[in-house]
Amino acid sequence: SQKIEQNSEALNIQEGKTATLTCNYTNYSPAYLQWYRQDPGRGPVFLLLIRENEKEKRKERLKVTFDTTLKQSLFHITASQPADSATYLCALDPRSGGGADGLTFGKGTHLIIQP
Amino acid sequence: EAQVTQNPRYLITVTGKKLTVTCSQNMNHEYMSWYRQDPGLGLRQIYYSMNVEVTDKGDVPEGYKVSRKEKRNFPLILESPSPNQTSLYFCATSIYQGSGYEQYFGPGTRLTVT
Repeated sequence: SQKIEQNSEALNIQEGKTATLTCNYTNYSPAYLQWYRQDPGRGPVFLLLIRENEKEKRKERLKVTFDTTLKQSLFHITASQPADSATYLCALDPRSGGGADGLTFGKGTHLIIQP
Repeated sequence: EAQVTQNPRYLITVTGKKLTVTCSQNMNHEYMSWYRQDPGLGLRQIYYSMNVEVTDKGDVPEGYKVSRKEKRNFPLILESPSPNQTSLYFCATSIYQGSGYEQYFGPGTRLTVT
């Protein structure tokens, strides 16, 4: 089965700097890779999706890269703000069709942006 | 407003007392899922549904039941809850958005079984 590794230790970044979070996976390459944000006691919120044939995706201050050779995705937040502090989850969908039945989530990385 | 609602949000119950957590969505999404989230284990899928009357097991289905009689509702049933089902539960829906499926999560139900 697919195994996903995200840095379990909290990541402390100074406000204004770029935060980079890592998602590594084993076994087969997923067709889709997604990133979610989760605040304490709340449900995850979808941020970005990248397909296996895409190298990079951007949305405002967010950037995601997908390297199927390294089996790794990097999630960047530029010009970070204290409001970006949250847990960020990586999720993989192995099937090209996507859907609700195939997502496997990582355990998440807790990001803290220091003012 | 597009949303996924869950009820109850908090529940404390005793071992063996049947309970149902409801999930409802107003987005007309075909796909719905239930997850549980535990410290150190992350989000794990319990059951999912591709459409009305179509459900299947996720990674941790033992001790749970679901039904999908209507597109908008996907209740999670614990016939005989046990303390190891104490967890934070999330319902999610998803829809294809042209380049892949995005999941929309409900606010969560915190369940404690004593």
